[in-house]
Formats: sequence, C-alpha cells, structure tokens
Amino acid sequence: EVQVLESGGGLVQPGGSLRLSCAASGFTFSSYAMSWVRQAPRKGLEWVSGISGSGGRTHYADSAKGRFTVSRDNSKNTLYLQMNSLRAEDTAVYYCAKEEGSLVGSAETGFDYWGQGTLVTVSS
Amino acid sequence: SYDLTQPLSVSVALGQTATITCGGSNIGNKNVQWYQQKPGQAPVLVIYRDTNRPSGIPERFSGSNSGNTATLTIGRAQAGDEADYYCQVWDSSTAWVFGGGTKLTVL
Repeated sequence: EVQVLESGGGLVQPGGSLRLSCAASGFTFSSYAMSWVRQAPRKGLEWVSGISGSGGRTHYADSAKGRFTVSRDNSKNTLYLQMNSLRAEDTAVYYCAKEEGSLVGSAETGFDYWGQGTLVTVSS
Repeated sequence: SYDLTQPLSVSVALGQTATITCGGSNIGNKNVQWYQQKPGQAPVLVIYRDTNRPSGIPERFSGSNSGNTATLTIGRAQAGDEADYYCQVWDSSTAWVFGGGTKLTVL
C-alpha cells in the first residue's frame, strides 16, 4: 500500500526556517517525481515545488524560488522541503504528493497519492 | 504564467448531474486532472488526462476537454459528492497549475 506521511510543521516566527519531511512507502521511491503542494487557510491548492525521481531536477513556483529548497534521500525514501525566510503568507497545510512519472510533469497525469499534510504557521 | 479559471460554486439537486468548468487558454491542448477535496482531508484524484478515472472512482465521474474549457461531470449526484473540486494542468513554463477551486453543493 502506497503511503506518504509528512512531518516537521509547526509555529515559526517571520524570517525563520523550517524543514518539512515526507516519508514514503509502498512503492519504488526513486522511480517517481514528488512535489509539495500547499493550501493556505480557507484557500485553494498551490503547487510549491517538485523534484525528479533521481533528485537531479527541481522546479519551484515563483513564490518559493530563492527561499525554499526541495531535496530527497532515496536511500531513506524521504522527501524534504527546506523553507527559509518564512513569511506570514507561507502559513498553510503542506502536502507531499507523488507523480506517476520520474520527471516532474512528464506523465501529465497529476498526483496519484497525497499525504495528510502538515501545518506550518508563520506568526510572531 | 498559465491561469485556470473555475466558478466559485456550483449547486446540483440530489440525483441530478453537476458540471464544473475549468477555463484556460487552449486548455484543450493540455492534459487536465480533477481533484476532489472534502473538509479536513487531502485531495483525491478523480480524473486524469481529461477523461480517465483512477481505480476506485465511480463511473458517475467523467471529464471532457476541448477548446478553452475542460469540464468535470458528476452524474446522479449524491450527498457524499459535496466537496471542493480543483482542476490542474502541466504547463511547460509554469509547471503544475491548479484552478482556484469550485465548491459543489448538493441540494
């Protein structure tokens, strides 16, 4: 059974940093691209960042460029999102999501598995 | 950047057919996904590549895509179909793009 489980969320002050993790199981992790998608309170879904199965290619939304870094450790079946210079508008539930292809967007079939999300609150 | 436009809300009578649209420039040339999200839950993929249903999704859910509009159709709407629905495409310049979401109410 495919499972993805996020962790690492919490309360952080503006300008602070946080690292999210996503532990995956039930599939060959290194064969699939993974993404982070967030949802601000009472708002819609926003894609944040994605990474290829090998980890060699990364993609970012404009809102994340220069502040967030996506990475993965295929030996640990874990996806990460390092978030720096956090702002109030980064407050959201952050979801980890799996794609069907090995490159971000390559299969164009969307995200077939999602975690339950981890809440990040940026506030003083 | 590429933008997707959805109506904020759609209402449907119990047992009738609901249609939710997703507008985008030449969206008919892209592959469209649809997600269902119920309160407090993660999104669930209900349609991929315009018309395909993942395993476990009822046949009542169908999709189409042409021109500047993609459509999610939910037949014989049930109370359990009440949720937010999001369309999504891959754009080579913008990467993954989501529509703003549509709240479906079953009356």
